[in-house]
Amino acid sequence: QQPVQSPQAVILREGEDAVINCSSSKALYSVHWYRQKHGEAPVFLMILLKGGEQKGHDKISASFNEKKQQSSLYLTASQLSYSGTYFCGTEWLIKAAGNKLTFGGGTRVLVKP
Amino acid sequence: NAGVTQTPKFQVLKTGQSMTLQCAQDMNHEYMSWYRQDPGMGLRLIHYSVGAGITDQGEVPNGYNVSRSTTEDFPLRLLSAAPSQTSVYFCASSSTPIGSSYNSPLHFGNGTRLTVT
Repeated sequence: QQPVQSPQAVILREGEDAVINCSSSKALYSVHWYRQKHGEAPVFLMILLKGGEQKGHDKISASFNEKKQQSSLYLTASQLSYSGTYFCGTEWLIKAAGNKLTFGGGTRVLVKP
Repeated sequence: NAGVTQTPKFQVLKTGQSMTLQCAQDMNHEYMSWYRQDPGMGLRLIHYSVGAGITDQGEVPNGYNVSRSTTEDFPLRLLSAAPSQTSVYFCASSSTPIGSSYNSPLHFGNGTRLTVT
């Protein structure tokens, strides 16, 4: 099953913060985050492995809560370049599930001046 | 480095026609995969391969075939195109298989926009 992302869309002013959540119904081994600009391919942001590690990429950071089977992406002091659609990709903990990265439906982010 | 190259960029097919979407990578990646992207559905995995000669099904494999005869190439075949296969198709590769001790990013191609009428 696909992970569930929320919110589906968010509009920000430059400098504002936002949080995007990604929830899974199954125990996770890792969570990937990607950003896609309109008409382009998704671009990698970061990977979080089980262990609750928090990572950062410029002023974009993420956390991974294994118990809640959830990851959150934090957009801090947003810039115009942060606009796009953000996808989380999840890998289940059960290896028998195979080498699959399952993506959520995406969160559209629009940063306005 | 070209990365992941997909051809064609655009394609229009009539119902029942067959075609092959090409994907090639020059990064010596073992793992390659095909996703389709539909509005509001995110990216859905069609098929994937963890190395030459090894393929497996993803979430939405019906109507598609794949083979992996070389490390570089991973073509996707539509046997008999249907309007439901209208979508944007992305090929992606990774240096280590998802699920191994290391996890590395997926590198995506620029996509093929397919319309089936």
